[in-house]
Amino acid sequence: KAGVTQTPRYLIKTRGQQVTLSCSPISGHRSVSWYQQTPGQGLQFLFEYFSETQRNKGNFPGRFSGRQFSNSRSEMNVSTLELGDSALYLCASSLGGQDQPQHFGDGTRLSIL
Amino acid sequence: EDQVTQSPEALRLQEGESSSLNCSYTVSGLRGLFWYRQDPGKGPEFLFTLYSAGEEKEKERLKATLTKKESFLHITAPKPEDSATYLCAVQGPNYGQNFVFGPGTRLSVLP
Repeated sequence: KAGVTQTPRYLIKTRGQQVTLSCSPISGHRSVSWYQQTPGQGLQFLFEYFSETQRNKGNFPGRFSGRQFSNSRSEMNVSTLELGDSALYLCASSLGGQDQPQHFGDGTRLSIL
Repeated sequence: EDQVTQSPEALRLQEGESSSLNCSYTVSGLRGLFWYRQDPGKGPEFLFTLYSAGEEKEKERLKATLTKKESFLHITAPKPEDSATYLCAVQGPNYGQNFVFGPGTRLSVLP
């Protein structure tokens, strides 16, 4: 069974640009969550989508947005990039129940110059 | 606010030297506590879910236990391939999936 796939694996952008990251969940999984991982803050929750609806949102500015398509694939967008947005962005999928484990992709490493 | 702390921050063991990692949490209405392993350059890999105090789960050299305020990950006779960062996360009562992760314990097992 294929795991969670994230593209691209690496991305370099400059301040002020915008970026879109993509995530394909495990087949049959309807929940997709996004996390930001940095050495200083660890793993921080961005948002969760379930059946194309945002179900939960973390404490990130509105520059961070996402969406989910009918096939459960998800995209995350960051606008007006700042140096502090440099991080590993991880996507996780699950069946969607509240006590179901999340399964992670290997992330997109975003570097802002 | 849900919080998760982990100790120690880093741990070095000799191959075969057993030890335990700690995960302490404050959350009202715990729905689940999850352990993950993360290798450098990779996403976290799911290990265990624990749902209620007293529960234990085992997988190879790893055993996870849960009390009302903390969880332990016991590593018995570790091997170098067990070297990784171990993360725990909690899921509270809010609708949907919103995991709160601890900072992790970086484990190194020396041959």
